[in-house]
Amino acid sequence: KQEVTQIPAALSVPEGENLVLNCSFTDSAIYNLQWFRQDPGKGLTSLLLIQSSQREQTSGRLNASLDKSSGRSTLYIAASQPGDSATYLCAVRTNTGNQFYFGTGTSLTVIP
Amino acid sequence: EAQVTQNPRYLITVTGKKLTVTCSQNMNHEYMSWYRQDPGLGLRQIYYSMNVEVTDKGDVPEGYKVSRKEKRNFPLILESPSPNQTSLYFCASSLGRGPSSYEQYFGPGTRLTVT
Repeated sequence: KQEVTQIPAALSVPEGENLVLNCSFTDSAIYNLQWFRQDPGKGLTSLLLIQSSQREQTSGRLNASLDKSSGRSTLYIAASQPGDSATYLCAVRTNTGNQFYFGTGTSLTVIP
Repeated sequence: EAQVTQNPRYLITVTGKKLTVTCSQNMNHEYMSWYRQDPGLGLRQIYYSMNVEVTDKGDVPEGYKVSRKEKRNFPLILESPSPNQTSLYFCASSLGRGPSSYEQYFGPGTRLTVT
């Protein structure tokens, strides 16, 4: 069974800093990997989707990379802002089925 | 506006009283799914549906039922709720076809408390 881990569980940085969030998964046979943000009391907002054949995706200040063979993905946030404060989740879909597996998230606080 | 809607948003009920949480999407998506989110455990998939009349169990299906009679709707049914089903529930949908077919879009969540 696929297991997805996100470390650290919480991260606090000053505004303007660049930061990296990590996601690791145990089964490298994935179809894709998706990063989300979740604001308190709200649903999940999709940030980036990386197909298994891709190495990275970029959207504005966000860049996500994927290394399938090592079972890792990173989400890079450039020039962080207080509005980036949220919980960031990664999820993988495995090749063997149509299920999705989520990490437990990294809670990010950007201090003004 | 493209969206996934869930109702109700908040629900407090008692053990054993059957309830249904509705989910609807207006994006003509084929794939729909239900998740529960619990502290320390993250999101876990309950059931998913690849298309009308096609449903499959996720990781934690016990105590839940689903149906997919129409493409846009995917209700979650708790026939006899128990306190361990107190959780935050999310419905999600995705296109189901094409390169980005499994980019998921989420509803706002339903907070369920079973006493």
